[in-house]
Amino acid sequence: DAKTTQPNSMESNEEEPVHLPCNHSTISGTDYIHWYRQLPSQGPEYVIHGLTSNVNNRMASLAIAEDRKSSTLILHRATLRDAAVYYCILRDVNKAAGNKLTFGGGTRVLVKP
Amino acid sequence: KAGVTQTPRYLIKTRGQQVTLSCSPISGHRSVSWYQQTPGQGLQFLFEYFSETQRNKGNFPGRFSGRQFSNSRSEMNVSTLELGDSALYLCASSLVRDYEQYFGPGTRLTVT
Repeated sequence: DAKTTQPNSMESNEEEPVHLPCNHSTISGTDYIHWYRQLPSQGPEYVIHGLTSNVNNRMASLAIAEDRKSSTLILHRATLRDAAVYYCILRDVNKAAGNKLTFGGGTRVLVKP
Repeated sequence: KAGVTQTPRYLIKTRGQQVTLSCSPISGHRSVSWYQQTPGQGLQFLFEYFSETQRNKGNFPGRFSGRQFSNSRSEMNVSTLELGDSALYLCASSLVRDYEQYFGPGTRLTVT
């Protein structure tokens, strides 16, 4: 499986944007970039995913570099509820991996009031 | 729509015993995956079931097994429990394979 690298932790002030980087230099052409987050004492929850183009949804935006070797998850206005561990995951939909998600260490986001 | 439910939420067992955990996926979801989360190893994939068949398996010993029923509900079993099996066991369901997954709250297993 292609590997992702994320910073261990990041801090942000409430109502300010948060930019979470993810490096995936060995990404293949069929790897989708997925983001999940895990709030304290909860299971992970899906945030967003993309292949090549930037993506937006109600939770966040995903900016993908032109060479796809890196991506950035953007939380536009952080709230205290956004404090969580954010995981960047690559999924190759052409392989027999099916729904297997390979989690790395993730980035722990702390939001200060 | 109800989310993924897991029972029991907390469990304490003794070394050498066996345990069965249950997962009910979101209605209509046919794929169920299981994960183990520990402070040392993080989140690790155990196995995935789709249409009552195991489709993928992680790197865990044979003491870890699972099954899926015709209504898509799934169970996982751990036999001959070891202290290192203490973990949060998470179940995730999805509508079809290769789609976004929805996780349950997990079952916290403590082995003493």
